[in-house]
Amino acid sequence: RKEVEQDPGPFNVPEGATVAFNCTYSNSASQSFFWYRQDCRKEPKLLMSVYSSGNEDGRFTAQLNRASQYISLLIRDSKLSDSATYLCVVNIRGSGAGSYQLTFGKGTKLSVIP
Amino acid sequence: EAGVTQFPSHSVIEKGQTVTLRCDPISGHDNLYWYRRVMGKEIKFLLHFVKESKQDESGMPNNRFLAERTGGTYSTLKVQPAELEDSGVYFCASSQGSGTGSYEQYFGPGTRLTVT
Repeated sequence: RKEVEQDPGPFNVPEGATVAFNCTYSNSASQSFFWYRQDCRKEPKLLMSVYSSGNEDGRFTAQLNRASQYISLLIRDSKLSDSATYLCVVNIRGSGAGSYQLTFGKGTKLSVIP
Repeated sequence: EAGVTQFPSHSVIEKGQTVTLRCDPISGHDNLYWYRRVMGKEIKFLLHFVKESKQDESGMPNNRFLAERTGGTYSTLKVQPAELEDSGVYFCASSQGSGTGSYEQYFGPGTRLTVT
């Protein structure tokens, strides 16, 4: 079983649509949670951190359910510029003292169509 | 402020050759990480430096890979000898801290390595 699993995608949605991405993680000792965005042939960039209480940043809403080990990302009113691959990322404690390492899902590709 | 930089952006080498990748973290970031994405797979952790010390190298695939960070500034990742399965994109990231794991890691643009 993969450590972080995401919807396989791709998601093709019209402008203005609402789209939801889901993710599950297997390591119950995971410390922190993120959504990263990666444009084609570019580096991953942090989109938002995810908290148990849920958090919102403009059109983006992220949710974490620790009991179910489930993370979600909702994008409202999709824009053409939202087209990218969305990576579900979990930070787990590494083998060294005080060390943490990011564990990535394979990503879900989103294409927003005019 | 300059971001994380990596050199080269692209490298094509033959099987059995040696390649050295370089990463310059954001100034003042003590934590430096190497990750790799092999085609069709997810990005995977390789190792973590705090200043010049290797804090965690549990993700290094084998002893053909050697990472260094002399002086705690830039880091190099050497692959010797390279094998076909080493092809992929190697990302470097840096962060101010690592404490609870909530510090943002900033990624460099990556080095695309192709072994033929």
